[in-house]
Formats: sequence, C-alpha cells, structure tokens
Amino acid sequence: NAGVTQTPKFRILKIGQSMTLQCTQDMNHNYMYWYRQDPGMGLKLIYYSVGAGITDKGEVPNGYNVSRSTTEDFPLRLELAAPSQTSVYFCASSYQETEAFFGQGTRLTVV
Amino acid sequence: AQTVTQSQPEMSVQEAETVTLSCTYDTSESDYYLFWYKQPPSRQMILVIRQEAYKQQNATENRFSVNFQKAAKSFSLKISDSQLGDAAMYFCAYRSRGGADGLTFGKGTHLIIQP
Repeated sequence: NAGVTQTPKFRILKIGQSMTLQCTQDMNHNYMYWYRQDPGMGLKLIYYSVGAGITDKGEVPNGYNVSRSTTEDFPLRLELAAPSQTSVYFCASSYQETEAFFGQGTRLTVV
Repeated sequence: AQTVTQSQPEMSVQEAETVTLSCTYDTSESDYYLFWYKQPPSRQMILVIRQEAYKQQNATENRFSVNFQKAAKSFSLKISDSQLGDAAMYFCAYRSRGGADGLTFGKGTHLIIQP
C-alpha cells in the first residue's frame, strides 16, 4: 500500500516557467489537499478537493491551479513561477474529516 | 478562522527524560479534532496522536500522551522516555468536524534530544 505518492521530490525552476506537481493516492480517500511549507512556518493550505470534479481555494491559492478528474489524482499546476513560490509542497489525503496522510513532499526552488 | 499557536520554537531534553510540548488554539466551534504530527529530517509528516474534542479522556499512544484542556483551549504533547529517534519538528494541528478544508497547523516546535 503506497499511500500518498508525490513526484518529483526535487525541482529547480526558472522564473516564468511552469510545472505540474503530481499527487496520487491509493487509499480511496475522498478528500485531498495541497499544502506549502515555508522555513520556520507550519503548513498552509493552497487548494483542497472533496471529490472528483470538486476543488476549492485554501489560504494561499494565488499562482496555483488544481484539477481533480479522478479520486486518486490531484495535480498542482504552477503557472509563471516566481521566487515567492520557493517552498516545500505537500500533498495529503483523508477519509472525510479524519487525520490527513501526507506524501513525502516536493522541494521546489525558483531561481 | 481557527488559529493554532506553538509558543516554543525549540525544546531540548536529555535522552530517557520526559518533555512536554505546548499548543494552544482558538476556535468558536465545540466539536473538532486535534493532532500532533512529527516531521523528522526526512521531511515526511507522520501522525503521532489524535484527540477528538468530544472525548474527555486524553489520548495515549505508547510513550506519547496528550493533556487536552478544552476550556483552556490547550493541547500539549508529553513524550516519555525520550529517544534519539524522537528528534524532529512537531506540529500541532486543528481540524473542524465536518470541515472539508483540511488542517490548520501551528508553526512547529523543534525537539532536540541530548544523548
């Protein structure tokens, strides 16, 4: 049972480039989330989804987009990368409002 | 909106001793969940313990236990018999019951274990 799988684990982007962070879960969880973690800070919610076809903004959605076409997958798209998007990104899933299970994170650097 | 505050940026404890990490939260809700997550240098977020607000009994998981004071909105984590593998960042998190928008995290406490 793989749980929540994120790819890639590391990435360096140039300013203005775009990329998609992939996230898939095999636990049949209906809720999925994207968080970012900046140094010295807790995790902040970017976007979340309560099921296929339904997404909503979290606390810090600007500069990002998501889609949820299947229960398993919840990719995060960065358009026009900026240095402020340098962070560690975590995907997570949960069965409704219980504890969240996290992927291993993606360290993104925008230069 | 809910907020979670961890007032100890860093704590240090001798191996085999006991340490308590503090967490307070602010909410107007009466039913919710509270969690402690551990983040070792590997970066993986690992659930340590969870508490449901309607349960008066404090949760316990082996060497980890909580002191949940609902009226005071306090949720501290006690680690007994500290081990070197306990060294990590510890995050306190809040979640509304029935809330779809995930967990609200504190800024974390860095726990150092002295051998």
